[in-house]
Amino acid sequence: GIQVEQSPPDLILQEGANSTLRCNFSDSVNNLQWFHQNPWGQLINLFYIPSGTKQNGRLSATTVATERYSLLYISSSQTTDSGVYFCAVERFGYGQNFVFGPGTRLSVLP
Amino acid sequence: KAGVTQTPRYLIKTRGQQVTLSCSPISGHRSVSWYQQTPGQGLQFLFEYFSETQRNKGNFPGRFSGRQFSNSRSEMNVSTLELGDSALYLCASSRQGAGEAEQYFGPGTRLTVT
Repeated sequence: GIQVEQSPPDLILQEGANSTLRCNFSDSVNNLQWFHQNPWGQLINLFYIPSGTKQNGRLSATTVATERYSLLYISSSQTTDSGVYFCAVERFGYGQNFVFGPGTRLSVLP
Repeated sequence: KAGVTQTPRYLIKTRGQQVTLSCSPISGHRSVSWYQQTPGQGLQFLFEYFSETQRNKGNFPGRFSGRQFSNSRSEMNVSTLELGDSALYLCASSRQGAGEAEQYFGPGTRLTVT
């Protein structure tokens, strides 16, 4: 099946710093989403980005489908950005069947 | 618009018992998927329902089953609970039309098996 890797596994930043999270996937996909999981377990939608670039406030994401990777950029990080960030992909022809990466655990220190 | 809701939020069961979890999708969404999250295995796909039919199934034993009703609400059932079934169970819904595949997750049901 499709493999999804995320890097780095853990990231510690000072408030105000910028960061880039990476997601690599091993096969063609027709859906890619980034999520932030809060301490209570809720998965919060950040981006639906099977290709191209999107921005939402301090966050932006880029997916290069032909090269099978996606990047999530967080600028001017805040303590509320702490948590686990997941990339999830869905393969062509497999319906609504997400394969999740292992996540990047981000800790933003005041 | 109300988000995906899941009930109950927390549940404690004993080994050998069975459990039923419920998920109400966002209004207008016809696809409902279920995922299990554990510290060791991460987030894993259980199954997906669309128009009351199971369309996809993950690699879980037959003790895990589900169904979808005509109003798109879904339930999943786990029979003969094992300690390893302790997990956060997440439900997601989507419209499932062209260009409408974005999935939205509920808050989850945290199941503890003792």
